[in-house]
Amino acid sequence: DGGITQSPKYLFRKEGQNVTLSCEQNLNHDAMYWYRQDPGQGLRLIYYSQIVNDFQKGDIAEGYSVSREKKESFPLTVTSAQKNPTAFYLCASSSRVYNEQFFGPGTRLTVL
Amino acid sequence: QQQVKQSPQSLIVQKGGISIINCAYENTAFDYFPWYQQFPGKGPALLIAIRPDVSEKKEGRFTISFNKSAKQFSLHIMDSQPGDSATYFCAASPDNQGGKLIFGQGTELSVKP
Repeated sequence: DGGITQSPKYLFRKEGQNVTLSCEQNLNHDAMYWYRQDPGQGLRLIYYSQIVNDFQKGDIAEGYSVSREKKESFPLTVTSAQKNPTAFYLCASSSRVYNEQFFGPGTRLTVL
Repeated sequence: QQQVKQSPQSLIVQKGGISIINCAYENTAFDYFPWYQQFPGKGPALLIAIRPDVSEKKEGRFTISFNKSAKQFSLHIMDSQPGDSATYFCAASPDNQGGKLIFGQGTELSVKP
């Protein structure tokens, strides 16, 4: 069953903590993306990666970090430097040939 | 210049009616225009997409109309059903930025029975 998985579905973070969101895909896609979704603001790009061991900042990268050590995996770390991390986080992937991005089910992060 | 502006923010349509959502862009380098459908608590799913070499694309009850000179594109949902109630996002991809998508702000559609 091909697709994108994100874990956990819900995540609670205390002030000052770093947390890591997992994203895995078995679609053999080269490119992977992280978006943040807030009510009424659509999806905003945090980071993206077109190939292994390479990634670029999106529009709102401050306070976030990523790694791309394997083609299948693109974890996102929300650091304590992110001042307002409560949001719905979406991971997506696409092939290098076609633009279609396929999304995972999302992780809802709440800061306590 | 990288923005995609979407309207309306919310839309209420009677069952069987036509839902119309509009998007406008400024960057002429955009060359791929998808529409996504998102249900509450779920990830967006690709609904239909168009490239600027055609003016219209239809898939079932969903049609994209594209006006290159006006830099506008729209989604029409014919015979709208309560199951179509969701948030719809338009997006655009610049042709030189490795598949990045610029999303509109979203339209919350409610189809009343």
